[in-house]
Amino acid sequence: NAGVTQTPKFQVLKTGQSMTLQCAQDMNHEYMSWYRQDPGMGLRLIHYSVGAGITDQGEVPNGYNVSRSTTEDFPLRLLSAAPSQTSVYFCASRRSRGGAYTFGSGTRLTVV
Amino acid sequence: AQKVTQAQTEISVVEKEDVTLDCVYETRDTTYYLFWYKQPPSGELVFLIRRNSFDEQNEISGRYSWNFQKSTSSFNFTITASQVVDSAVYFCALSEAVGGGSQGNLIFGKGTKLSVKP
Repeated sequence: NAGVTQTPKFQVLKTGQSMTLQCAQDMNHEYMSWYRQDPGMGLRLIHYSVGAGITDQGEVPNGYNVSRSTTEDFPLRLLSAAPSQTSVYFCASRRSRGGAYTFGSGTRLTVV
Repeated sequence: AQKVTQAQTEISVVEKEDVTLDCVYETRDTTYYLFWYKQPPSGELVFLIRRNSFDEQNEISGRYSWNFQKSTSSFNFTITASQVVDSAVYFCALSEAVGGGSQGNLIFGKGTKLSVKP
């Protein structure tokens, strides 16, 4: 049982490049979210989904795009990378509202 | 508005000391959930506990215990007889059952970095 799988684990991008962070879960969870973690800031919500075909913005959505075509996958797209997007990104899933999130192992992204 | 405050940015203790990590939350919902997560130096986020707003019983799990007090909006975490392996960043988080506008996504505090020295 893999849980939540994120790829890649590390990535370096140049300013202006685009890329997709992959997230997949095998627990049949309806709720999935993306968070970013910055020093001294805790974790902040970027985008979330409450089921296939349903997504919404969180606290810090600018510069990111998501889609949810299947229950299992919830990719995060960086449209035009900026140094301010240097961060550690976590994908998480949970079975229901109020349930505990299971987190992926994170993607450390550096934008130069 | 919902908010979680972890006033202690960093705590350093010597092994075998007891240590309490503070968490204060704000919410207008009457039904909500509180969580603690551990982030060891390896970086993953490990779920420790979930507590709903109607259950004010304290919980003990081995060396870990949690004290939930609605009257003071606090959900504090105590580690008894700390060990070096407890060194990590600990996050407190809140999820609202009805309000919040983000479908109950976790609102995190900024974390408390605990260092346990041998």
